[in-house]
Amino acid sequence: EAGVAQSPRYKIIEKRQSVAFWCNPISGHATLYWYQQILGQGPKLLIQFQNNGVVDDSQLPKDRFSAERLKGVDSTLKIQPAKLEDSAVYLCASSLNSKGRPGNTIYFGEGSWLTVV
Amino acid sequence: KNQVEQSPQSLIILEGKNCTLQCNYTVSPFSNLRWYKQDTGRGPVSLTIMTFSENTKSNGRYTATLDADTKQSSLHITASQLSDSASYICVVGGNNRLAFGKGNQVVVIP
Repeated sequence: EAGVAQSPRYKIIEKRQSVAFWCNPISGHATLYWYQQILGQGPKLLIQFQNNGVVDDSQLPKDRFSAERLKGVDSTLKIQPAKLEDSAVYLCASSLNSKGRPGNTIYFGEGSWLTVV
Repeated sequence: KNQVEQSPQSLIILEGKNCTLQCNYTVSPFSNLRWYKQDTGRGPVSLTIMTFSENTKSNGRYTATLDADTKQSSLHITASQLSDSASYICVVGGNNRLAFGKGNQVVVIP
């Protein structure tokens, strides 16, 4: 079974530039998540989709971050304009259904490493 | 304040030795507790998931315990191998949300 695919793996941009990350979840997984992981920290949820609807985006900095999952399958996360503190790993993950349910494994991609200089 | 606290932050162990990682949480209501292994430069991989009624679960040389009364969990690594060098993240689910710890950084040396 193919895992969660993400691209690009690495990206270096200057501050105030824009960047977009792409994610293709595991086939059949209704729930898709974007996490931000700063070095030495645990992942922080940015946004959660259930099919093509947003379930939780309470921690998404909406003035500069946006995400969409138009057809309920793959998703893109955009940052515009980027700040130095956005340097982090952006992890996409997917699960069959709601993350709160016991036994519902969340599968992570390898992450997209962003460095803002 | 982080709802999931892990200790020790980092540790170095000799290959073949055992070690135990601790996770204390304040998440309420509680639904489940997960341990993930994250190799450097990789995404987290699930090791175990436990619900309220489970107090131990094993995955190969990894054994997780849960005490829902004291809100504590541990992850025990038996006969460590070099490939166990990674960050181990405790994740607590409740109220349809997940709270992540910062991870225990484990380095296994020959």
